[in-house]
Amino acid sequence: GDSVTQMEGPVTLSEEAFLTINCTYTATGYPSLFWYVQYPGEGLQLLLKATKADDKGSNKGFEATYRKETTSFHLEKGSVQVSDSAVYFCALSGWKDSSYKLIFGSGTRLLVRP
Amino acid sequence: NAGVTQTPKFQVLKTGQSMTLQCAQDMNHNSMYWYRQDPGMGLRLIYYSASEGTTDKGEVPNGYNVSRLNKREFSLRLESAAPSQTSVYFCASSEDWTGGMNTEAFFGQGTRLTVV
Repeated sequence: GDSVTQMEGPVTLSEEAFLTINCTYTATGYPSLFWYVQYPGEGLQLLLKATKADDKGSNKGFEATYRKETTSFHLEKGSVQVSDSAVYFCALSGWKDSSYKLIFGSGTRLLVRP
Repeated sequence: NAGVTQTPKFQVLKTGQSMTLQCAQDMNHNSMYWYRQDPGMGLRLIYYSASEGTTDKGEVPNGYNVSRLNKREFSLRLESAAPSQTSVYFCASSEDWTGGMNTEAFFGQGTRLTVV
């Protein structure tokens, strides 16, 4: 079945540093790709998405580009803030256990220090 | 602006006890889901309901049952809790089935369950 692999965390950065969180995927067909964010004590919420190759999703200063040739969807932000501290999940709409589902990576915790 | 509401937020059970986690959404969504979140494993789908009147097993259904009570409500029941079911449980909903290409899922705030 389809799967998502994220870089291990935690990632610790100073405020205003550049952020990259790596995400690669394995999928049959052409999945949609998502980044979800989970702030402390809250549920997940959609951060951005891309539905086809070379699409760039963006929101709140975060960006990710759907790269079919490298099967990647890395999350980037040019200048992180303390308020960006959260757990970030890469996900895809793909085939698993004989049906289509939203499949999540294991999550990457980001800690931004002042 | 309620979105997806889960109750309770925290629960401690003894091994063998039963309980039901409640979930309701006010967005008129067709599909609803129950996930569990464990350290280092991301979110794993327990059960889902693609539309009112249907339920199906997800990745880790053993030890759980679900009921889609109506379009708004989707409950998760643990009949005989085990320590392996200690986890954070999330209910989610989406307008259509998340196997669809563009469908966004909306999540509740989670239930932290400890089984001792």
